[in-house]
Amino acid sequence: ELKVEQNPLFLSMQEGKNYTIYCNYSTTSDRLYWYRQDPGKSLESLFVLLSNGAVKQEGRLMASLDTKARLSTLHITAAVHDLSATYFCAGVTQGGSEKLVFGKGTKLTVNP
Amino acid sequence: ETGVTQTPRHLVMGMTNKKSLKCEQHLGHNAMYWYKQSAKKPLELMFVYNFKEQTENNSVPSRFSPECPNSSHLFLHLHTLQPEDSALYLCASSHPLMGRGGPEAFFGQGTRLTVV
Repeated sequence: ELKVEQNPLFLSMQEGKNYTIYCNYSTTSDRLYWYRQDPGKSLESLFVLLSNGAVKQEGRLMASLDTKARLSTLHITAAVHDLSATYFCAGVTQGGSEKLVFGKGTKLTVNP
Repeated sequence: ETGVTQTPRHLVMGMTNKKSLKCEQHLGHNAMYWYKQSAKKPLELMFVYNFKEQTENNSVPSRFSPECPNSSHLFLHLHTLQPEDSALYLCASSHPLMGRGGPEAFFGQGTRLTVV
């Protein structure tokens, strides 16, 4: 059974600082997703990582995937207030009907 | 806007009421999902439909009854709910085999359900 763990669950950081959110998963997942959720809103797809060593960047966010270590990271560079949100990673179960399994989410607060 | 629309956005219902949540997508996806998001637990998958057929029921109590009349619409019928069922219910859609036809799931805005 695929399990996905994120840490930290809560992150408070100053504007301009860098930080990394970690996502570990328990069994093979050939894809890893990152989503963002603002309060009271839906989940917005940020990144889809499809292979070992994949790295994707969008603005101040960069995601990477290491399938051997079963680890994905979301790195935040020079944080700004607009990045405050909850970030979820999700793996995909293998075999049968594929489905997303989510981590608990990391609530990020960027302070001025 | 993700292309997945849920109604209503907010719902307050008594434990003896019957209500339904609606989800609609016109993205050409053939897989639709119901997720539950509560404060104390991660996003929980409830049901999966592929080409209108239910392919996953994640041990959901029978007081939740899904219906998928076609690939564009998904309902969640609710009856005799409990206060602990209060949560955000999210609908999502994707191509059936994520990563092939289209790699990600698109989520609706959710229905905030409160059971009193």
